[in-house]
Amino acid sequence: EAGVAQSPRYKIIEKRQSVAFWCNPISGHATLYWYQQILGQGPKLLIQFQNNGVVDDSQLPKDRFSAERLKGVDSTLKIQPAKLEDSAVYLCASSRRGGRNEKLFFGSGTQLSVL
Amino acid sequence: AQTVTQSQPEMSVQEAETVTLSCTYDTSENNYYLFWYKQPPSRQMILVIRQEAYKQQNATENRFSVNFQKAAKSFSLKISDSQLGDTAMYFCASQIQGAQKLVFGQGTRLTINP
Repeated sequence: EAGVAQSPRYKIIEKRQSVAFWCNPISGHATLYWYQQILGQGPKLLIQFQNNGVVDDSQLPKDRFSAERLKGVDSTLKIQPAKLEDSAVYLCASSRRGGRNEKLFFGSGTQLSVL
Repeated sequence: AQTVTQSQPEMSVQEAETVTLSCTYDTSENNYYLFWYKQPPSRQMILVIRQEAYKQQNATENRFSVNFQKAAKSFSLKISDSQLGDTAMYFCASQIQGAQKLVFGQGTRLTINP
């Protein structure tokens, strides 16, 4: 089966610019996650979708970050305006149902550099 | 609150040796799940092994095994007969029952030398 697809792989922008990342989960997976991984740290959950509804966005900086999952399939994460501290790898993951002890499948991430 | 701590930023061993990566966690929950994920340079996180807290038997997956000490809140990963392809970042993670998100530790960079 095809894995989780993410694009772009790399992005360089200047602070205060806008940027968007795209994720296409594994076909049939109901749950989609966006994680932020700052250099030297473990991934931190930004937002979790169950189909097209938000389950957890408690750690999403809502003043500048937004995400959507229209039709419950692919998803877009946007940052507007970007800050220097947003430099990180943004990982998308999906799972079948989002249940406990369920395996997450990760994409290869988008590495964002904010100058 | 859940926290996961990996106290070894980097480790290095020779090929074919056995290596153990440490992880401690803190949770007030009684039912939870623990995971080890591998992140190679490709950045794609891959599940290595998982453990249900209610199971006393340690999980094993081929060359990978865990030492789960519930009372000590310790969850170490042992890699036997290490291979060059095991070179990667390794992250310990926890998930409490009823919540779906994973909480990750800071990671351990493991290098297997030829």
